[in-house]
Amino acid sequence: RKEVEQDPGPFNVPEGATVAFNCTYSNSASQSFFWYRQDCRKEPKLLMSVYSSGNEDGRFTAQLNRASQYISLLIRDSKLSDSATYLCVVNIHKFYFGSGTKLNVKP
Amino acid sequence: EAQVTQNPRYLITVTGKKLTVTCSQNMNHEYMSWYRQDPGLGLRQIYYSMNVEVTDKGDVPEGYKVSRKEKRNFPLILESPSPNQTSLYFCASSLSVLGPEQFFGPGTRLTVL
Repeated sequence: RKEVEQDPGPFNVPEGATVAFNCTYSNSASQSFFWYRQDCRKEPKLLMSVYSSGNEDGRFTAQLNRASQYISLLIRDSKLSDSATYLCVVNIHKFYFGSGTKLNVKP
Repeated sequence: EAQVTQNPRYLITVTGKKLTVTCSQNMNHEYMSWYRQDPGLGLRQIYYSMNVEVTDKGDVPEGYKVSRKEKRNFPLILESPSPNQTSLYFCASSLSVLGPEQFFGPGTRLTVL
C-alpha cells in the first residue's frame, strides 16, 4: 500500500469554480503535511503547509483530518494560472509524495 | 538568493557512459535527497543524506551512487547508465529530515540511448 494516495484527475473546471482535492495517508504517526504545486516539467514548489487547525492563504484552504487520515486542499475562484499538478506530501521521518492531482482550469 | 542548483539541466548520453549530475544548495541544509520522476509513478526517492558523510538508500537506489563530502554538495553518479534510467531527476534539500519543507532544484532531464 502506498504511503500517500491521491486521485490523479484530471480535474477540468471553469474559471471561477471551487475545486477540492483530497489525499489519504496510511501511517497514523505522520508528523507534518504539505501541498506542493508542480507545473509541467518544472520543480515542485511548496504551496502551503497543513496544520491541525486548518489554514488559509488567500484562495487556498488546507485541512487535516487525523482521525480519518486525510488532508484536503480547497481552491476558490479558480484562475487559469492555477492549472498545474498538486502534490500531497507527508513526513514521517522522510518525505512521502503522492503521485499528484492534475488540475486544468478552462476559460 | 536561497536556492538548489543542478547541472546539467539536460543530458543525452549512451548506455554505459559514466555520468555525474551535480547538486548544490546554499541554505546550510543538513538533509539532501535525490528523486526521479516518471509519468504515472510520481516522485521516487533514490538516495538521501542526513548530513555530511551520511547517506542512505531510498526506494529506487539500484544503478545509482551518491556522495556527501561537503554539506552543500550532493552529486548523483550513474556508473553505467541504462535506458531505464531515462527520467527527470530532482535534487532537494531541507533543514532536517523532518523538514519543515523541501526546496527543489530545477531538474535534470536525462535520456540514455
